[in-house]
Amino acid sequence: EEQLVESGGGSVQPGGSLRLSCAASGFTFNRYNMNWVRQAPGKGLEWISYISSSSITIYYADSVRGRFTISRDNARNTLYLQMNSLRDDDTALYYCARFLPGYGLRGGIDVWGQGTTVTVSS
Amino acid sequence: QSALTQPASVSGSPGQSITISCTGTSSDVGGYNFVSWYQQHPGKAPKLMIFSVNNRPSGVSNRFSGSKSGNTASLTISGLQAEDEAHYFCSSYTSSDTLVFGGGTKLTVL
Repeated sequence: EEQLVESGGGSVQPGGSLRLSCAASGFTFNRYNMNWVRQAPGKGLEWISYISSSSITIYYADSVRGRFTISRDNARNTLYLQMNSLRDDDTALYYCARFLPGYGLRGGIDVWGQGTTVTVSS
Repeated sequence: QSALTQPASVSGSPGQSITISCTGTSSDVGGYNFVSWYQQHPGKAPKLMIFSVNNRPSGVSNRFSGSKSGNTASLTISGLQAEDEAHYFCSSYTSSDTLVFGGGTKLTVL
């Protein structure tokens, strides 16, 4: 079964940092472009970052550029999101998600994790 | 990048058809055939229903279909069933090499 399992969420004060991890299994991780999507409580989905299969291409949403860093370790089948300078409005459920093969940002997201919760509050 | 515009809610009776719209600009929906639709039940992760405007992933019912005209994409669900009740989100690739989602539409099956 193709699966993504996020970890690393938690509660942090404004200005703090967290590192999210996403462990992939059941598919050849190094062949897929990946991304992070978040969902604030009771709100819609917000795309935040993309990384290509070989890490050559990386994109960020304006809301996180300069504060968040996406990376991956294909040898460990793991995707990461380093989050610095966290703000109250970063509070959300963070999903790790896989794009359809060969499409990247232009394709649909066909595999989602169950998410890890990040709460930023003083 | 502003979110795509979707109606907050739609409703329909079992067996009926409904359509959910998703309006963007020429820099996203109107400029590319890279619109996707997702279904999300409460407490669950989103599920891909349509990609590239009108393509269904394997396993998705053919009751779900997508289309696009100008800057507006649409998701049509025919033969409404109780299990279709969920939130639906559209997304589009943008000219800024980003992905933008719609605000979401709550579908109620009466």
